[in-house]
Amino acid sequence: GAVVSQHPSWVICKSGTSVKIECRSLDFQATTMFWYRQFPKQSLMLMATSNEGSKATYEQGVEKDKFLINHASLTLSTLTVTSAHPEDRSFYICSATGEREAYEQYFGPGTRLTVT
Amino acid sequence: GQNIDQPTEMTATEGAIVQINCTYQTSGFNGLFWYQQHAGEAPTFLSYNVLDGLEEKGRFSSFLSRSKGYSYLLLKELQMKDSASYLCAVMDSNYQLIWGAGTKLIIKP
Repeated sequence: GAVVSQHPSWVICKSGTSVKIECRSLDFQATTMFWYRQFPKQSLMLMATSNEGSKATYEQGVEKDKFLINHASLTLSTLTVTSAHPEDRSFYICSATGEREAYEQYFGPGTRLTVT
Repeated sequence: GQNIDQPTEMTATEGAIVQINCTYQTSGFNGLFWYQQHAGEAPTFLSYNVLDGLEEKGRFSSFLSRSKGYSYLLLKELQMKDSASYLCAVMDSNYQLIWGAGTKLIIKP
């Protein structure tokens, strides 16, 4: 149980275009979803936390107009990287917590974004 | 500020035992997590400690001392597939995870 999927697993986009990444909890209802970014050889950096039906809470230094997060249902959250630039190249990972074991975050497989 | 410290890299031999240490200073404490992350993949959950003491789960054990702000992950009977980064994370008083930079474990035959 507790499976989280992400789509796409990797994406290449042109500079200036937008990319949408989906995060789904497949067999549980995710009360909270988290979006992380990880640069090579660095640890996870929390970008934002979202609860279903409410606006995401962004970490300091993360531009909310650039990284749009929508947590439309208890099983789906999306991250849209708007006007992507080469410096946005990173590994984006989502995680989710459910009601039963709220302390444990279940991670999606990640999405590798390359901007040309 | 909040801080999680763990060694950057460790090397061990196949079949041996290795201990990865983690020290932390956080505002509040609601548990400490260890995750394994293979290169290019997302982290996978290994253990959760909220009370002092040792939690054993197969070849992996995790220890916590809240008074010392200290934890370690012990890996026994090392296998080549254990080569990965091991991330220590602490849940603070706001139930937010504070992540360490990770320890890259290299296993040699």
